[in-house]
Amino acid sequence: DTGVSQDPRHKITKRGQNVTFRCDPISEHNRLYWYRQTLGQGPEFLTYFQNEAQLEKSRLLSDRFSAERPKGSFSTLEIQRTEQGDSAMYLCASRPPGVTQYFGPGTRLTVL
Amino acid sequence: RKEVEQDPGPFNVPEGATVAFNCTYSNSASQSFFWYRQDCRKEPKLLMSVYSSGNEDGRFTAQLNRASQYISLLIRDSKLSDSATYLCVVTAGNQFYFGTGTSLTVIP
Repeated sequence: DTGVSQDPRHKITKRGQNVTFRCDPISEHNRLYWYRQTLGQGPEFLTYFQNEAQLEKSRLLSDRFSAERPKGSFSTLEIQRTEQGDSAMYLCASRPPGVTQYFGPGTRLTVL
Repeated sequence: RKEVEQDPGPFNVPEGATVAFNCTYSNSASQSFFWYRQDCRKEPKLLMSVYSSGNEDGRFTAQLNRASQYISLLIRDSKLSDSATYLCVVTAGNQFYFGTGTSLTVIP
């Protein structure tokens, strides 16, 4: 499968725990995005990487959230001290320059 | 004000019907426009790009009106398999802005 992959697909955690999600983009795509989606809403932008550089971050990305793309390939999104309001689908998307983006299957986070 | 506004529906239509979805965007500098389809508990998938001249892909026709900042999607001869949420997407710079989606159910 040469599409965008995300791991894990599902995560259940207790409030206050830290979680980390991984995204592997399509190999030739230098741009990578993270989104959060809750029920009945469209995906909300969290952050954007071009190669290894994190170029944009949403106001939604509180200081409990951090994202990295250390070698310009895979990316991780970490949420520290999770809260129930963090429960959502976390989507990763990648794209080459000038083209639209392609999404991974998402990681569904449930915070108890 | 949201970047992209869509009527969330739901739209419930019989098989074979024609249905139209509309979307408005607030940033006149928006550059690219798309419709994505999202099935329940799945990721969004690109349905089609939207061009000012209008474009068609089989039963699907997309239109863009830059002056009115308005995008539409027309689905002809609806199939049961068209049941999904349709997301309007607008870009500005490197950012992609999604509407809340319009829910469509095609009824046998």
